Amino acid sequence: SQQGEEDPQALSIQEGENATMNCSYKTSINNLQWYRQNSGRGLVHLILIRSNEREKHSGRLRVTLDTSKKSSSLLITASRAADTASYFCATAPFGGYNKLIFGAGTRLAVHP
Amino acid sequence: EPEVTQTPSHQVTQMGQEVILRCVPISNHLYFYWYRQILGQKVEFLVSFYNNEISEKSEIFDDQFSVERPDGSNFTLKIRSTKLEDSAMYFCASSELGGGGETQYFGPGTRLLVL
Repeated sequence: SQQGEEDPQALSIQEGENATMNCSYKTSINNLQWYRQNSGRGLVHLILIRSNEREKHSGRLRVTLDTSKKSSSLLITASRAADTASYFCATAPFGGYNKLIFGAGTRLAVHP
Repeated sequence: EPEVTQTPSHQVTQMGQEVILRCVPISNHLYFYWYRQILGQKVEFLVSFYNNEISEKSEIFDDQFSVERPDGSNFTLKIRSTKLEDSAMYFCASSELGGGGETQYFGPGTRLLVL
């Protein structure tokens, strides 16, 4: 089964606006992590939320997790042009030892 | 801030050749991973490694692939006989602990092109 599917696939906003990206998954998880990837570059870890947590904040980032709906959202507030990147959710399946399963990502474009 | 490093950043090889991708995980981390991302596709898990042995591997990680921690700092991925479809970005990652509850920190990747 597929895991960690994000929507929307692409999002285009103006600087200063908020960006919300969603992630759905199918199996039970230990945690869910969000990563950012600038075009053709490495994966930068943004935030980890555990299965027993409902919300976490880090700077301009807010992540929610609803295990009953098997979904998560990433909110970036007051977006900047430098936030332009692809954002991926990655789930650590319960019982899956250590691997992360990545979604296809949301491509965010923030226009000045 | 400690980070995962990978070498080389780019590698071009001929089909059938062996390649070794190198990684230096964060120094106090105990769990190591390889992932790959074919252009335009999802990041895919290949293998996890702990205590000098493979702890989990995916279907992609067949007999053509092997991993090794030859010394106290390096972690390598070897592809014995490369195929065109092995062309991808390969990411190394490490985490302090395992058990599915820890942040995995990724390196910048090695872009492998098989001709």
